Amino acid sequence: SQTIHQWPATLVQPVGSPLSLECTVEGTSNPNLYWYRQAAGRGLQLLFYSVGIGQISSEVPQNLSASRPQDRQFILSSKKLLLSDSGFYLCAWTPGLAGTGELFFGEGSRLTVL
Amino acid sequence: AQSVTQLDSHVSVSEGTPVLLRCNYSSSYSPSLFWYVQHPNKGLQLLLKYTSAATLVKGINGFEAEFKKSETSFHLTKPSAHMSDAAEYFCVVSDRAGGGADGLTFGKGTHLIIQP
Repeated sequence: SQTIHQWPATLVQPVGSPLSLECTVEGTSNPNLYWYRQAAGRGLQLLFYSVGIGQISSEVPQNLSASRPQDRQFILSSKKLLLSDSGFYLCAWTPGLAGTGELFFGEGSRLTVL
Repeated sequence: AQSVTQLDSHVSVSEGTPVLLRCNYSSSYSPSLFWYVQHPNKGLQLLLKYTSAATLVKGINGFEAEFKKSETSFHLTKPSAHMSDAAEYFCVVSDRAGGGADGLTFGKGTHLIIQP
């Protein structure tokens, strides 16, 4: 069966520090991968998605970036965090072909920028 | 263009009473519709989905939803609430065949509170 792992679960970072959140999927090949952000009291905002290694699409301009160095690995990064980057970050995947739109989510990473 | 509106940001019901979470959508095409549940500090989990088959969709944990095209609605219901149902619920619309999640639009969520 397929599983998705996301880490770290929680982190507190000072403004201006770098960020790296990692996500890996097991039990499937060629998944579409997604990073969402959920700010307090708000819905989900799609940040990045990827349909293959090295292919990244950005939905929202910001100081975050994403990379996909391997088929089942998706990384969210920042060189310098802002206070507004605080939130709950969710990685998700869908089958690469013939998907039904169902997203499979990781457990999330809660980022607090101070 | 597509959009989804969850009509209530918070819903409070007593344990054992019915649950109704309301969702209206707009879509230029025949949409697929989903309900997801999110427990505190967890990822989202699919409750149920409508993809142009039966208009009454049954999901996990006793939830169901009815697709009503004439009303552009996809309300989520459960006959009897349980304490474990307390969570955030998201209605999601997709008008893109093939199911890429970049074509999904999430509602802002409804926080369901269960009173003992």
